[in-house]
Amino acid sequence: DSGVTQTPKHLITATGQRVTLRCSPRSGDLSVYWYQQSLDQGLQFLIQYYNGEERAKGNILERFSAQQFPDLHSELNLSSLELGDSALYFCASSVDGRPYGYTFGSGTRLTVV
Amino acid sequence: GQNIDQPTEMTATEGAIVQINCTYQTSGFNGLFWYQQHAGEAPTFLSYNVLDGLEEKGRFSSFLSRSKGYSYLLLKELQMKDSASYLCAVRDHGTDKLIFGTGTRLQVFP
Repeated sequence: DSGVTQTPKHLITATGQRVTLRCSPRSGDLSVYWYQQSLDQGLQFLIQYYNGEERAKGNILERFSAQQFPDLHSELNLSSLELGDSALYFCASSVDGRPYGYTFGSGTRLTVV
Repeated sequence: GQNIDQPTEMTATEGAIVQINCTYQTSGFNGLFWYQQHAGEAPTFLSYNVLDGLEEKGRFSSFLSRSKGYSYLLLKELQMKDSASYLCAVRDHGTDKLIFGTGTRLQVFP
């Protein structure tokens, strides 16, 4: 157990629907990062939150949004889902500057049918 | 912007040594990481370099040359369980985010 908890582990939904992915960071970690990994693709950075505030934005679609709550857990909302959104979505957390980088959650596998 | 290149696939034999190269171009740099990822699983941390030189950790070593924008991961005494993807990532100075390369899929054969 890495200490980063992601739920749900698997999600199957239809095109056009909306889903919410949840992430609880490691105790003491203030930063949460969201990544998307499509089949045979690298990890694509989506967005970072630090202590409740958005800190960096990557290749995140306008249909996607995220937030970090006062208890530091984060949610990634994906709407108007398309087949191409099927991917593994990873959450990671860290304290800035930590020399071993992130701690990753086990991911949510989203399948859009 | 940032660009990270690594070979797509490599193969090696059990017990051998393999070197996985990574080149990068970044606007800001605050360390280079190597992660291992088995199919369908989360990446796990292998090594971190922020200064030039070699960092050794058991069977795995990682090298960094900041002036050349180059790193490699060296895996010795390969085992079947080392079959996985190896991800090179650069940490952005300022935001602390990691930018990943597309990964190198290593297959170890008996």
